[in-house]
Amino acid sequence: DTEVTQTPKHLVMGMTNKKSLKCEQHMGHRAMYWYKQKAKKPPELMFVYSYEKLSINESVPSRFSPECPNSSLLNLHLHALQPEDSALYLCASSPSQGGGNEQFFGPGTRLTVL
Amino acid sequence: ILNVEQSPQSLHVQEGDSTNFTCSFPSSNFYALHWYRWETAKSPEALFVMTLNGDEKKKGRISATLNTKEGYSYLYIKGSQPEDSATYLCAFPNYGGSQGNLIFGKGTKLSVKP
Repeated sequence: DTEVTQTPKHLVMGMTNKKSLKCEQHMGHRAMYWYKQKAKKPPELMFVYSYEKLSINESVPSRFSPECPNSSLLNLHLHALQPEDSALYLCASSPSQGGGNEQFFGPGTRLTVL
Repeated sequence: ILNVEQSPQSLHVQEGDSTNFTCSFPSSNFYALHWYRWETAKSPEALFVMTLNGDEKKKGRISATLNTKEGYSYLYIKGSQPEDSATYLCAFPNYGGSQGNLIFGKGTKLSVKP
């Protein structure tokens, strides 16, 4: 199974809601990533987990809270978001953390914040 | 701030045409250069991860070359087909490459007309 799955595909939420995005892979990869992609811009890294520990937080606001409950799962908890947080959120995984590793991407969750 | 530049931004070709586009990256502290293909409504898919100066990689009709000393990579598509229509992204690992956090270029959007 060489697939990274993400749920939900689409999410609409109000600024006071709490929601979560989910990412799953069963390739035995030990590094997992969250990216944010705004329209007509490249994906921007948010977080990196390595062996289930947070390795990199690219100065992301605390209203985004990542969690890696096990080696196959990565969550992104959302709370008190702003309309400017509307974007495509991509999850990726790689065998290990390191710039020489190909990253496998999920199809993304399209988030709209009203 | 690390900068990854891609050109052209977009390209329209006829089926059967061969085409190429460019990715420019910092030539100092080179670690690796990634190419990804991103079709609309699908997941970004890795094409190549290149690490050696002078390297040339091939996958079917798509090939890529790498010049780390001058900081550029070319992606070539021979005999373009409509199914090659996608955005092609290159990415460069930040922080000396060990951390795996990729900086993406803005991409080249290729449209192939039948």
